Amino acid sequence: AQKVTQAQTEISVVEKEDVTLDCVYETRDTTYYLFWYKQPPSGELVFLIRRNSFDEQNEISGRYSWNFQKSTSSFNFTITASQVVDSAVYFCALSEFMNYGGSQGNLIFGKGTKLSVKP
Amino acid sequence: ETGVTQTPRHLVMGMTNKKSLKCEQHLGHNAMYWYKQSAKKPLELMFVYSLEERVENNSVPSRFSPECPNSSHLFLHLHTLQPEDSALYLCASSQGGGRPNTEAFFGQGTRLTVV
Repeated sequence: AQKVTQAQTEISVVEKEDVTLDCVYETRDTTYYLFWYKQPPSGELVFLIRRNSFDEQNEISGRYSWNFQKSTSSFNFTITASQVVDSAVYFCALSEFMNYGGSQGNLIFGKGTKLSVKP
Repeated sequence: ETGVTQTPRHLVMGMTNKKSLKCEQHLGHNAMYWYKQSAKKPLELMFVYSLEERVENNSVPSRFSPECPNSSHLFLHLHTLQPEDSALYLCASSQGGGRPNTEAFFGQGTRLTVV
């Protein structure tokens, strides 16, 4: 069955430290999509990145980078030189191409990792 | 206004009350969703509407009743709720009729407390 695991419940770092948020997924589909969302205290989930299962190139966007490893079913997220504004809950999510019991297109979320960046 | 807007932001209701949550999207999307976010649990998909038709109902109790009158508006009607229904209810929208490769855009949520 499809599943997303974010083993780190909470992480606390000091500003300017680098931090990596782990995400491991399970799927029986060969075509799927992986997402990261950020949920600041205001509540809304902010889309950060989408990656399809055929594109294993790592991506960098400013201080954010993502490492997709199909061999280990992982899609980890690294924040370089963290800032206080990065404090939020971060969610990894999976969306499958095939319709398993009505799951096509539905985002399956991990439980989230709460990141606290202290000044 | 831009994005996805939810009202009210906070709601306290008794178990015998009837209330409705409202969601409006200004992104021109054709799919809308309700999610429930409880403490220490993953986000749970409740309902999916694609092109104003309900395409998903994840075994949600009948005390939650969705309504999608058009592609821009989504409601969640609540009646005779239980205290365990207290949670953050998030609305989202996406383009592509809920296709898996499209990201969803979320509202800020309604924090519901059932007393």
